[in-house]
Amino acid sequence: EVQLVESGGGLVKPGGSLRLSCEASGFTFSTYTMNWVRQAPGKGLEWVSSISSRSDYILYADSVRGRFTISRDNAKNSLYLQMNSLRAEDTAVYYCARGGRASDWFDSWGQGTLVTVSS
Amino acid sequence: DVVMTQSPLSLPVTLGQPASISCRSSQSLVYSDGNTYLNWFQQRPGQSPRRLIYKVSNRDSGVPDRFSGGGSGTDFTLKISRVEAEDVGVYYCMQGTHWPLTFGGGTKVEIK
Repeated sequence: EVQLVESGGGLVKPGGSLRLSCEASGFTFSTYTMNWVRQAPGKGLEWVSSISSRSDYILYADSVRGRFTISRDNAKNSLYLQMNSLRAEDTAVYYCARGGRASDWFDSWGQGTLVTVSS
Repeated sequence: DVVMTQSPLSLPVTLGQPASISCRSSQSLVYSDGNTYLNWFQQRPGQSPRRLIYKVSNRDSGVPDRFSGGGSGTDFTLKISRVEAEDVGVYYCMQGTHWPLTFGGGTKVEIK
């Protein structure tokens, strides 16, 4: 069974940093593109970032480019999102989602981790 | 960016009756490989999103056959043939053809 478990969310002040993790199990992590998608409270879904299986292509939404860094460790079956210079508008539940175009995008999702940016 | 426009925003439905959600994209979603990367996701209250339909009309494993997807180019539809109580939630379309990936604003399905 595919499992994606996010962690690392919490309360952080504007301008602060946070590192999210997503631990994967039940599939061959190293062969999948992985993604972060977020959802602000009461709002819709917003794609944040994607990383290919070997980390040779990485893409970001304009809203986070230059502040967030996606990375992965295939030996540890883990995906990460380093978030710097956080703003109030980054407040959201952050989901880890499996799969790129080859798997028709986002075929499995984690339960999400809440990031709250507030003073 | 490709704008995904869903309608209606809210869809009250009687149990056992059909429901239909529209999704329109601001550009064609046909990719260079000939595929159309248009997905539908369901988000039940308090839960993570779940993919229902991929590439316009392909149902994911475990998705009841009362759900169906259709359309082409820039106009797409998700249909529920007979709404059940467990179908309550928000439905999102999403395009995976162009960067950045974009979602529709969501359609809330509720029981009358």
